[in-house]
Parts: sequence; C-alpha cells; structure tokens
Amino acid sequence: NAGVMQNPRHLVRRRGQEARLRCSPMKGHSHVYWYRQLPEEGLKFMVYLQKENIIDESGMPKERFSAEFPKEGPSILRIQQVVRGDSAAYFCASTQWDSTTNYGYTFGSGTRLTVV
Amino acid sequence: AQKITQTQPGMFVQEKEAVTLDCTYDTSDPSYGLFWYKQPSSGEMIFLIYQGSYDQQNATEGRYSLNFQKARKSANLVISASQLGDSAMYFCAMREGDSSYKLIFGSGTRLLVRP
Repeated sequence: NAGVMQNPRHLVRRRGQEARLRCSPMKGHSHVYWYRQLPEEGLKFMVYLQKENIIDESGMPKERFSAEFPKEGPSILRIQQVVRGDSAAYFCASTQWDSTTNYGYTFGSGTRLTVV
Repeated sequence: AQKITQTQPGMFVQEKEAVTLDCTYDTSDPSYGLFWYKQPSSGEMIFLIYQGSYDQQNATEGRYSLNFQKARKSANLVISASQLGDSAMYFCAMREGDSSYKLIFGSGTRLLVRP
C-alpha cells in the first residue's frame, strides 16, 4: 500500500513561471491537505480538499495560488507567476476521514520548490 | 500569541545520552492532541509520538517518551539513549479539538548527536 506520493521531489522555476505540484493520496483516502514549510520554519496549513471540493483554503495566499482535487487523478497545487518568496517545501498529507487520527497525518516526502 | 512554542533552536547531545526537547502550547480547547515529528536532512516528516489531552499517562514509543504537564501546558519530548541517526529537526504540533483536521506546528529544534 503505497504512501502519499508527491512529485516532483525538486522543482526549479524562474521568477514569473508557473509551478505545478502533484499529490496522490494513500489508497482509500479522499481527504487531502497541503502544508508549506518556509526555510527554517515549521509547517503551515494551506488548504484542505475533498474530491472536487475545496473545504478550507484559509491558509492559501489570496493571489497566484490555487488547488484542486479532481474526481480522477492527483491533487494539484498550482502557483502562478512564482516569486522568490515562494521558495519552500510543500507537503501533502491525506486521511480517510475528515480529521487527523492519533497518528496525525501521513505526509508525502514533499516538493522542494526553488525560484531563481 | 504563538500556539506552539519551541524555545530551543538547536541542541547537542552526546551519543547514548538522553535529551529533552521543549514544547509549550496555548489553547483554550479542553480537547486537543499533541504530536512530535522528526524531519531528517532528507526532508520527509516522520511521526514519532502522540499525546491526547485526556490521556492519563505519558505517551511512550520505544526510545521516545512525552513528558506531558497539562497544568504547565508543556509537552516535552524525551529521547533516551541517543543515536547518531537521531540528528534531525524535531517539530512539536497540536490539533485543537477532537475532530480538527489542522495541525499547528512549532518552529522546530535542530538536534545534533555527537559521537
């Protein structure tokens, strides 16, 4: 049973380009969460999605960032017109239910975005 | 106010000794959960241990134990018999409420184990 799969593992983009980060949840999980880790900081919640629905995007920057979790396929975190401040590690997690268990989340290995 | 505070940016410990990593939290919700994660240099987030606010006993998982002092709102991680592979960033996190899906993370403590 594969864990949460994120790709790419590393992504380099020039300022102004678009970044697309993919997350495939664990089998049987229909709830996906994205977190961002800026350098030397802890993870911060960005968005919570269920299939075809955004449940909570309170942690998402209002501009340039969007997320989706289509009926088929992985969840996508999209950052348009990237800036240097977007350089961070982006982690995805998934759960079967709409809350964490006593084991917290299972996180993917993260995507490290570098904007040059 | 910070919800999760980790006051030690970096710590050293001698191999085979025990080390305590501090974590204090702030919540008015009577039901909450506390987590510790390890992040090695490879970058992944590894769950270590969980403590529920109503748990009577301190959580233990192998060499990891959680020193839970509810009145002081502290949830310190104790690693016994440190190993070189324990060198990593360690994050304390909190879930507020029984059914919340959000984890709130502290800023982390970098632990270096000396041979």
